[in-house]
Amino acid sequence: EPEVTQTPSHQVTQMGQEVILRCVPISNHLYFYWYRQILGQKVEFLVSFYNNEISEKSEIFDDQFSVERPDGSNFTLKIRSTKLEDSAMYFCASSEDNYLYNEQFFGPGTRLTVL
Amino acid sequence: AQKVTQAQTEISVVEKEDVTLDCVYETRDTTYYLFWYKQPPSGELVFLIRRNSFDEQNEISGRYSWNFQKSTSSFNFTITASQVVDSAVYFCALSEANAGNMLTFGGGTRLMVKP
Repeated sequence: EPEVTQTPSHQVTQMGQEVILRCVPISNHLYFYWYRQILGQKVEFLVSFYNNEISEKSEIFDDQFSVERPDGSNFTLKIRSTKLEDSAMYFCASSEDNYLYNEQFFGPGTRLTVL
Repeated sequence: AQKVTQAQTEISVVEKEDVTLDCVYETRDTTYYLFWYKQPPSGELVFLIRRNSFDEQNEISGRYSWNFQKSTSSFNFTITASQVVDSAVYFCALSEANAGNMLTFGGGTRLMVKP
């Protein structure tokens, strides 16, 4: 069964460093998403991406964040200068299209720890 | 105001008990979808069910059942004869027609099923 994969599973970085979180969405999916979950809290939407453009983004997704689809398979989230409060689990998701009924398939997450 | 409220932050039951997880949502859209996700201790998000705003039929899947009531803006989830493997955090989520395809999650309910 096709699945969304994410690497690395755990990333530790120093405050101020840049990090890139990688995701491989399901191959025939066209819509991609990043969500964040601070430890013990709810899952929060960051950004959605379609046709090489951001479709929607939340208030959390400020200038420190960027997304990219560098090739036909990867979808990345970059944090330019990490802060302590960026420590969280980051989930990538993908869906076939953006109809409301379409299930978003989530990856296993990358736990980011900023020291 | 919270769009998705899960008032029960933590529930503890003994195996074989039935348990209901509450979810109340808020939206002005007439077209929306509601979802339940399970997050086991391993951290991934597992899709359980989606329900559209035009379908108020209750659904049963094995030991799981869902009760959708538009009149009270609720989408409650019942586990019958709970098992230890049901121990997880359960998230209710909302997707609205006028908000792209982003999912808005509730705060989650941690369910602990004791043997």
